[in-house]
Amino acid sequence: NAGVTQTPKFRILKIGQSMTLQCTQDMNHNYMYWYRQDPGMGLKLIYYSVGAGITDKGEVPNGYNVSRSTTEDFPLRLELAAPSQTSVYFCASQTSTDTQYFGPGTRLTVL
Amino acid sequence: AQRVTQPEKLLSVFKGAPVELKCNYSYSGSPELFWYVQYSRQRLQLLLRHISRESIKGFTADLNKGETSFHLKKPFAQEEDSAMYYCALNSGGSNYKLTFGKGTLLTVNP
Repeated sequence: NAGVTQTPKFRILKIGQSMTLQCTQDMNHNYMYWYRQDPGMGLKLIYYSVGAGITDKGEVPNGYNVSRSTTEDFPLRLELAAPSQTSVYFCASQTSTDTQYFGPGTRLTVL
Repeated sequence: AQRVTQPEKLLSVFKGAPVELKCNYSYSGSPELFWYVQYSRQRLQLLLRHISRESIKGFTADLNKGETSFHLKKPFAQEEDSAMYYCALNSGGSNYKLTFGKGTLLTVNP
């Protein structure tokens, strides 16, 4: 199993550009999550999903959108990139009784 | 509102010394707490969870509801324990939404 994979690993965006961060898991987990981690801070939940077709906001959802059309994929969309969205983004997944498994992260810089 | 506090950003000890990483929480419900660890160039992974009451890599953590704490302890630190440690609280019930502390960077010196 590859576990949780994220692409790209690094990205530099200009202000106002848009992009999609990809997240895929091959463990058939129902629950998936997107976090962001700013320097010196813990992870903050952006959005989460408890199953295909079901998504909900986390603590810091503004400026982001998600969709969950399949169990495996949970992409995160940035529509109008802002410098405040410079961060490291982590995707995670879990079953209802297990721990969260994390991806390797995507480092995004918005200039 | 739920909150997780890790008061130490940095903690440095010598090999063989005891280590304690502090974690305090604020939560109105019944807490479910975790310690996650991130070694250099590796992804974040679970170290232990309080409901399993197990010892992983020599680390233990006891939930103290009276002091609202979940401190991580190891009697004899090893160099390979050097990593970033995050305390986390399940604040979402059956949705398993985690609230993380800011993390403590542990350095174990030879």
